Amino acid sequence: GAVVSQHPSWVICKSGTSVKIECRSLDFQATTMFWYRQFPKQSLMLMATSNEGSKATYEQGVEKDKFLINHASLTLSTLTVTSAHPEDSSFYICSASSAGGEDGYTFGSGTRLTVV
Amino acid sequence: QKEVEQDPGPLSVPEGAIVSLNCTYSNSAFQYFMWYRQYSRKGPELLMYTYSSGNKEDGRFTAQVDKSSKYISLFIRDSQPSDSATYLCAMRGLAAGKSTFGDGTTLTVKP
Repeated sequence: GAVVSQHPSWVICKSGTSVKIECRSLDFQATTMFWYRQFPKQSLMLMATSNEGSKATYEQGVEKDKFLINHASLTLSTLTVTSAHPEDSSFYICSASSAGGEDGYTFGSGTRLTVV
Repeated sequence: QKEVEQDPGPLSVPEGAIVSLNCTYSNSAFQYFMWYRQYSRKGPELLMYTYSSGNKEDGRFTAQVDKSSKYISLFIRDSQPSDSATYLCAMRGLAAGKSTFGDGTTLTVKP
């Protein structure tokens, strides 16, 4: 089945630094990738939708200059949290779909970000 | 009002019980309905994927969709302690766009 690899699984960074999270589709071409944020005991909050070769579409309230998304190839999307602050600490998860999306989207294993 | 409503639980059942998880929705454009299982500190795992109304069975899991009532269910038969997780319903329209998720129901199956 479809596999999405997300890296790193956890990261601790200092306040003010930037962190990059990678999301790769291993055995299919992902024309669309989604980035979510999840707080403890809460559901997934969609941050943005990225399509290969075009700019990401951000959800209302998500700062596009803070959460930079790049979907440069059909198998890789990256999320960069710039100038991270403690309130950015969260669980970030990506999901991917092949063209047409004829199945449920496959999720990565998530990245736990802690900003100290 | 949220587009997708899901009882957050928590739900606790003894091993071997039949579990019923439910979601209601308000957007009649939803055509694809999914159930995901999420273990703590992990990404969601797709369990069931259904298009339009009807039933779908996969092992101990059965998904039901009633579009006329805007109601979907996931049944787990012979529940096991390993089924203890948070279950998320999700749904989307015909286009391959974003899904709308429920808030999740936390299930504990006690041995």
